[in-house]
Amino acid sequence: EVQLVESGGDLVQPGGSLRLSCAASGFSFRNYNMNWVRQAPGKGLEWVSYISTSGSTIYYADSVKGRFTISRDNAKNSLFLQMNSLRDEDTAVYYCARHYSGYDTFDYWGQGTLVTVSS
Amino acid sequence: DIQMTQSPSSVSASVGDRVTITCRASQDISSWLAWYQQKPGKAPKLLIYAASSLQSGVPSRFSGSGSGTEFTLSISSLQPEDFATYYCQQANSFPPWTFGQGTKVEIK
Repeated sequence: EVQLVESGGDLVQPGGSLRLSCAASGFSFRNYNMNWVRQAPGKGLEWVSYISTSGSTIYYADSVKGRFTISRDNAKNSLFLQMNSLRDEDTAVYYCARHYSGYDTFDYWGQGTLVTVSS
Repeated sequence: DIQMTQSPSSVSASVGDRVTITCRASQDISSWLAWYQQKPGKAPKLLIYAASSLQSGVPSRFSGSGSGTEFTLSISSLQPEDFATYYCQQANSFPPWTFGQGTKVEIK
């Protein structure tokens, strides 16, 4: 069974940093591209970042470019999101999502981790 | 960026009703469209990919159609577990991958 479990969400002050993790199991993690998608309270879904299997290709949404860094450790079946210079508008539930290659959709999602940016 | 617009924003329906949700893309995306279902407090779940292909395990009462700029998600006979919010997502031109604003299916 495919499982994605996020962790690391917390309350942080504006300008602060946070590192999210996503532990993958039930599939060959190294063979899948991965993503982070977020959802602000009461709002819709926003794609945040993408990383290829080897980490050689990375994309970011304009809203987080220069502040967030996606990475992965295939030996530990883990995906990460380093979030710096956090803003109020970064408050959201952050989901890691497996990339459905060939169709460019997201076929499995974790349960999400809540990041709250507030003073 | 490609903008995705869903209509209606919400719909009230009864168990057994047929429900149709529309998603429009700001430019031609061929058949590169997915639909997701999200229940309160839960992660989104992939229902349909490539506009009309049913994801494994998804009941056959869900169907998708369309191409180009206009797409529909239909639920043939609404069940109690189908009350949720539904999102479309384009997969034609990225980054960024973009979603519609969501359609909430509520109990009448």
